Amino acid sequence: QVQLVESGGGVVQPGGSLRLSCAASGFAFSSSNMHWVRQAPDKGLEWVTIIGSDGNAQFYADSVKGQFTVSRDNSKNTLYLQMNSLRPEDTAVYYCAKDVDWGFDYWGRGTLVTVSS
Amino acid sequence: QAVVTQEPSLTVSPGGTVTLTCGSSTGAVTSGHHPCWLQQRPGQAPRTLIYDTTNKHSWTPARFSGSLLGGRAALTLSGAQPEDEAEYYCLLSYTLDRRVFGGGTKVTVL
Repeated sequence: QVQLVESGGGVVQPGGSLRLSCAASGFAFSSSNMHWVRQAPDKGLEWVTIIGSDGNAQFYADSVKGQFTVSRDNSKNTLYLQMNSLRPEDTAVYYCAKDVDWGFDYWGRGTLVTVSS
Repeated sequence: QAVVTQEPSLTVSPGGTVTLTCGSSTGAVTSGHHPCWLQQRPGQAPRTLIYDTTNKHSWTPARFSGSLLGGRAALTLSGAQPEDEAEYYCLLSYTLDRRVFGGGTKVTVL
């Protein structure tokens, strides 16, 4: 069955960096566009980024452009999100999700990132 | 930055019908915005119910349907069940790098 498992979250100081991972299984990862979506505590969802199946195209929300970098390793069926210069407002649960026709199908359970001193 | 609007909360009786809508500050919502609807129960990850306006996933209960209604995207729940009590989010895709979620609608089945 399809599984998306995020990891790498934790507590980081403002200005710090963190790299999230999303391990995928049960589907053709190398043929799938992938998203990151985040949700601040008790807030709504915010789309963060999408990466094309071969990794050659990436698009970002304005709020993270120049700060976050999405990448993937299709040989490891893994999606990444490198987050730099973190701010308290980046505190959120970060979900990876598989793309389908401008939407999503499968979601991971998320990993919590807390930016705090 | 476009703003996507949803009703903050709606209540439906068990077995009843409710329609959630999703509007855009830029004008009418069309199929070109590829509306997507997600359900999120407390403490759980989101689950996609509808994508590209009307398409259902294999796990989407038949009682949910997506449409366009009066310049807005719509999610209709017909025959509400207690387990449908959740937060519902819509997503509109304006461009490849401009995808905006609505603020969510809390649906109570009462």
